[in-house]
This record gives sequence, C-alpha cells and structure tokens, in this order.
Amino acid sequence: RKEVEQDPGPFNVPEGATVAFNCTYSNSASQSFFWYRQDCRKEPKLLMSVYSSGNEDGRFTAQLNRASQYISLLIRDSKLSDSATYLCVVNGIYNQGGKLIFGQGTELSVKP
Amino acid sequence: DAGITQSPRYKITETGRQVTLMCHQTWSHSYMFWYRQDLGHGLRLIYYSAAADITDKGEVPDGYVVSRSKTENFPLTLESATRSQTSVYFCASISGRVTNSPLHFGNGTRLTVT
Repeated sequence: RKEVEQDPGPFNVPEGATVAFNCTYSNSASQSFFWYRQDCRKEPKLLMSVYSSGNEDGRFTAQLNRASQYISLLIRDSKLSDSATYLCVVNGIYNQGGKLIFGQGTELSVKP
Repeated sequence: DAGITQSPRYKITETGRQVTLMCHQTWSHSYMFWYRQDLGHGLRLIYYSAAADITDKGEVPDGYVVSRSKTENFPLTLESATRSQTSVYFCASISGRVTNSPLHFGNGTRLTVT
C-alpha cells in the first residue's frame, strides 16, 4: 500500500461545479497535512494547510479525518483557472528527519 | 530576490557524464530537499538535509550524491548519469518545524540524459 494515495483522475467538470478530492494516508502518526497545486509540471505551490478542525479559504475547504486517515479538498464554484493537478502531502516523520510524502496528484480540468 | 533558485533550468547530458544540479536559498532555512518527478510516480524524495553537513537518504537515493557545506546551498550530483535519471528535479526548503511547515519549491531543473 502506498503511503499516500490519491485518485489520479482526471476529473472533468463544468465551470461552476463543485468537486471533491480525497487522499488517504497509511501512517497514523502523521502530524501535518497540506494540499498543493501544480500547473503543467511547474513547481508545486502550497494551496492550503489542513487543520484538524477543518479550514476554509474562499472557495476551497479542506478537512481531515484522523480516524479514517484521509484528507479531503472541496472546490466550490469551479473556475477555468482551477484546472491543475492537486497534490496531497502528508508529513511522515522518520528518525530525525522530516519526510513529506506526496500523493501522485489528482488532475482537474474545468471546462467552459 | 529572496527565495529558492535552481540552476540550470534545462540540461541535456550524455549517459555516463557527471552532472550537478544547483540549489540556492536565501531564507536560511534549515531543511532542504531534492525531489524528482516522473509521470506515474509523482514526487519522490531523493535526499534531504536537516542542516549544514547533515544529509540523509530519501526514497530513491541511488546514483545521486549531495553535499551541504553551507546552509544556503544544496547541490545534487549525478555521478554517472543514466537514461532513467531523465526527470524533472525540484529542490525545496522548509521554513520552520518540519512537523507543521509547508515546503517552498524552486522552479525545477528539467534534465534529459541521452
């Protein structure tokens, strides 16, 4: 089982749609979680951190379910500019180092 | 400008050559990382460094060497390049505690080994 798993998609949705991505992780000791956005194999950029109580940033809502070991990202009122690959990132601590484990990414394509 | 920069942006080399990818950050971040990204594999950690002179292997370290003599630089060397090392390489750093801080990425080096 991969340490972090995402549905690779692609998710093809019309403008204005609501779309949700899930990401599961295997290490129950993981302490921090993030969603990154990546455009066309450019560098990933932080979209939002995921907090235990859930958090919202405009049209984006992130949630964490520790019991089931998954995080989710909800995008409301999708825009064409939301088309990108969304990467789930989970902190997996090993020894003294920090290893942020990336999911393979979920591709989103928003159509007019 | 402050930030994390990688060089070169693009590199073509031949099998068997030694190649060094440079990474420089101006934030004085303690942790730095090298990832490679390939279709079907996502981002995979090659090496990371917790501080100057402290480095450790990641998921896919074979064929790579790193050094960290100064906090701001974290070069990645392919000792004898192979075609399987054709990839996009990203350097990254973390500003604070590894347990709850996001990564800041450089803009990547696209390496082709012929």
